[in-house]
Formats: sequence, structure tokens, C-alpha cells
Amino acid sequence: DAGVIQSPRHEVTEMGQEVTLRCKPISGHNSLFWYRQTMMRGLELLIYFNNNVPIDDSGMPEDRFSAKMPNASFSTLKIQPSEPRDSAVYFCASSSGTGGTDSNQPQHFGDGTRLSIL
Amino acid sequence: AQSVAQPEDQVNVAEGNPLTVKCTYSVSGNPYLFWYVQYPNRGLQFLLKYITGDNLVKGSYGFEAEFNKSQTSFHLKKPSALVSDSALYFCAVREGGYQKVTFGTGTKLQVIP
Repeated sequence: DAGVIQSPRHEVTEMGQEVTLRCKPISGHNSLFWYRQTMMRGLELLIYFNNNVPIDDSGMPEDRFSAKMPNASFSTLKIQPSEPRDSAVYFCASSSGTGGTDSNQPQHFGDGTRLSIL
Repeated sequence: AQSVAQPEDQVNVAEGNPLTVKCTYSVSGNPYLFWYVQYPNRGLQFLLKYITGDNLVKGSYGFEAEFNKSQTSFHLKKPSALVSDSALYFCAVREGGYQKVTFGTGTKLQVIP
């Protein structure tokens, strides 16, 4: 079975440029999560979707960050304009269930996008 | 609000010895508890979960975890450590009724040959 697929695996760009990270969740999963991992702050939840609808975006650090999920098989995380402090590994994860009594399902993570902003 | 604590940044254990990685949690309702492992340059991989029932949960790669409600703990254990178990381990909690998961800060496990 194909897991969560993220692209690109690595991204190096200059400050001020727009960055778009992509995620394809596991087929049939209806919850999708975006995380950011750094040495200083650990693993942070940025936003999560349920049935393509954003449920909680309280972790999105600034208005420079935006996320979309136009359909069940694709999501993007965009940073515009990017800054050096955005450098991190960004993970996408998906799970089945809709919350409530279904919330015992584990999340399946992609291998991440390592983002470096110069 | 739910929270989880992993009190040890790093755990060192000799190959063949038993290992324990500690985790405590705080929720106001029923907890759903998870352990994940992360290898270098990879995403987190699910190891095991506690939902309800037997307090001893068995998972992948010979790992198990013991749920202790009175101590609000969910420690990860393995009877005999392998060098290949060396990785970063995350405990996570989700409160029943919510989809949002809170992850701990991670514990680096180093198994020494």
C-alpha cells in the first residue's frame, strides 16, 4: 500500500520566495494533518483537515502560512513570503475516522519535506 | 487541555538489556495513547496504542507499553534491546472526542552494542 506521499523531499530557496509543499494522503483517510519539526520546538501541529475542511488552524504561525485541501487526495501548505526562521522539516500525516468515537486511529506520516530558507 | 510529558531526553541501554522509555499524560476525559518511532530522515511510524481494555499493549517490533491510570503513565518497554531500536520515540495522547493529538518532546534511545 502506498503511504503518505510528500513532495518535494528537499527544498532550498531564498528568503522572500514563495514555497509550496504538497501532500497526498492515504486513500480512504479523511483526516489530514500538517506538522513542523525543529530541534528547538519539537513537533508542532500547524493545521488539520477533516473531510477536506480545515478544523483547527490555531498552530499556523503567521498569515504568511496557508493550507488548502481541494479534494480528498491532495493538500498544499504554502509559505509566502518565506523567511529563514521557517527552515524546518514539514510533515504531512493522515488518518481514518472523523473524530469523536473514531479518534482512536493512528496517524500515518509521510517522510517530510526538509525546507531551508537562505 | 491534554498534555504529555517525556521526562528523559535520552535513554542509553546496552544491547540485550530491557529498555523503558517513560511517558506521563494529562487529560480531562478518557485517554487514547500512542507510541511512535522516528528513524533519521523519516516520518514518524506508529508502534502501538492504548484505547481501552488490557493495560498491557503489544505492538510492532517486540515493543509493548503499560497503561497505568493511577500514575497517568504509559511507559514503552522491550524485554531485549537491539542496536536497530536506536531512534527517536514519541508518546502521544488524544482525548476521546477530539481528533487533535498532542505529542511529547521525544526521547532519543541509544542502544549500545
